[in-house]
Amino acid sequence: DAKTTQPNSMESNEEEPVHLPCNHSTISGTDYIHWYRQLPSQGPEYVIHGLTSNVNNRMASLAIAEDRKSSTLILHRATLRDAAVYYCILSRGGSQGNLIFGKGTKLSVKP
Amino acid sequence: NAGVTQTPKFQVLKTGQSMTLQCAQDMNHEYMSWYRQDPGMGLRLIHYSVGAGITDQGEVPNGYNVSRSTTEDFPLRLLSAAPSQTSVYFCASSYSPQSGSYEQYFGPGTRLTVT
Repeated sequence: DAKTTQPNSMESNEEEPVHLPCNHSTISGTDYIHWYRQLPSQGPEYVIHGLTSNVNNRMASLAIAEDRKSSTLILHRATLRDAAVYYCILSRGGSQGNLIFGKGTKLSVKP
Repeated sequence: NAGVTQTPKFQVLKTGQSMTLQCAQDMNHEYMSWYRQDPGMGLRLIHYSVGAGITDQGEVPNGYNVSRSTTEDFPLRLLSAAPSQTSVYFCASSYSPQSGSYEQYFGPGTRLTVT
């Protein structure tokens, strides 16, 4: 399975945008880019996913580089509730749904 | 919908005891899986199932058994608990993910301590 690289931790101020980077230089053409987040003492929560084009939903935006070797999760206005560990994961079509979690990026949000 | 439910929330076992962690989903999802999460780590896949009657091993299957007799339920059995199995266990489900484009729903977790 293709590997992703994320910073261990990031800090943000409340109500400011947050850009969480992810490198995936060995991504293949059929790999989807998924983002999940895990709030303290909870199970992971789906955030967004995409293949080639940028994606928006009510929680966040996903910006995918043209060569697909990196992507950025964008939280438009961070709130205290967004403090969590964010995981960038690749899933391959036909891989039977198995998500390979790394250690993720721990996002802290300051009031 | 209740989503993905897990019982119990907490469990303490002695070394050598066996037990079953329960997982159920009411979304008619074909795919279900079990992960464990050790302190400060990401999740690791234990076993998964792509439909009733079909199961397969993940990254860390040793010491665990699963079966899938119905679409709704996917229990995880610890055969003979060991302190190394102290962890938080998460169950997840999704529609068939063969395309790679899907959203997985996770349960709240079971925190297991083996003494």
